[in-house]
Amino acid sequence: DVKVTQSSRYLVKRTGEKVFLECVQDMDHENMFWYRQDPGLGLRLIYFSYDVKMKEKGDIPEGYSVSREKKERFSLILESASTNQTSMYLCASSLPPGASGNTIYFGEGSWLTVV
Amino acid sequence: AQKITQTQPGMFVQEKEAVTLDCTYDTSDPSYGLFWYKQPSSGEMIFLIYQGSYDQQNATEGRYSLNFQKARKSANLVISASQLGDSAMYFCAMRGLSSASKIIFGSGTRLSIRP
Repeated sequence: DVKVTQSSRYLVKRTGEKVFLECVQDMDHENMFWYRQDPGLGLRLIYFSYDVKMKEKGDIPEGYSVSREKKERFSLILESASTNQTSMYLCASSLPPGASGNTIYFGEGSWLTVV
Repeated sequence: AQKITQTQPGMFVQEKEAVTLDCTYDTSDPSYGLFWYKQPSSGEMIFLIYQGSYDQQNATEGRYSLNFQKARKSANLVISASQLGDSAMYFCAMRGLSSASKIIFGSGTRLSIRP
């Protein structure tokens, strides 16, 4: 059974803290993605990676960075957490686009509260 | 730039009726794929249906069909004979077909089925 695992379901962090959100997939997928989900705004892409050590900015990268040192792991980093980064964060993975890359697999989400 | 627009924030439908959820998109990619995902209150993202821009026929999966009108840049989801379990958020998404393509989502439609 395919699996995308996000290390933390619920986190509470203080303003200014450095926050790491980890995502691991066991499907040998090249493509991995980080989104945040907010009511009325849907899923907004923060960063994505199409190969190890490769990363591309999404639509809202400000205040975030990512790391992909191994194929199975994609980390989202909040360098200095702020209250407007309180949100639900979703990790996803897929094969490259094409006949086999028509399904995107999601983790269960990480609820982050910054106080 | 790529963009997905879902203009219906919420919809109420009587059980057993058919429902259409609207999705329009904008892209400069010559080839692309379109997805629909369902997110029930539990938060998991459930893949429903996929349509490639090069597909000649509209995609169907059980009670779900995708009304793809390429010239209008629309990819509406049609659910036939709605059930109470269809109550959820629905997201339209798109990706280009190059290896470094991102996947973007719309703001979603909350569908509520009335008994």
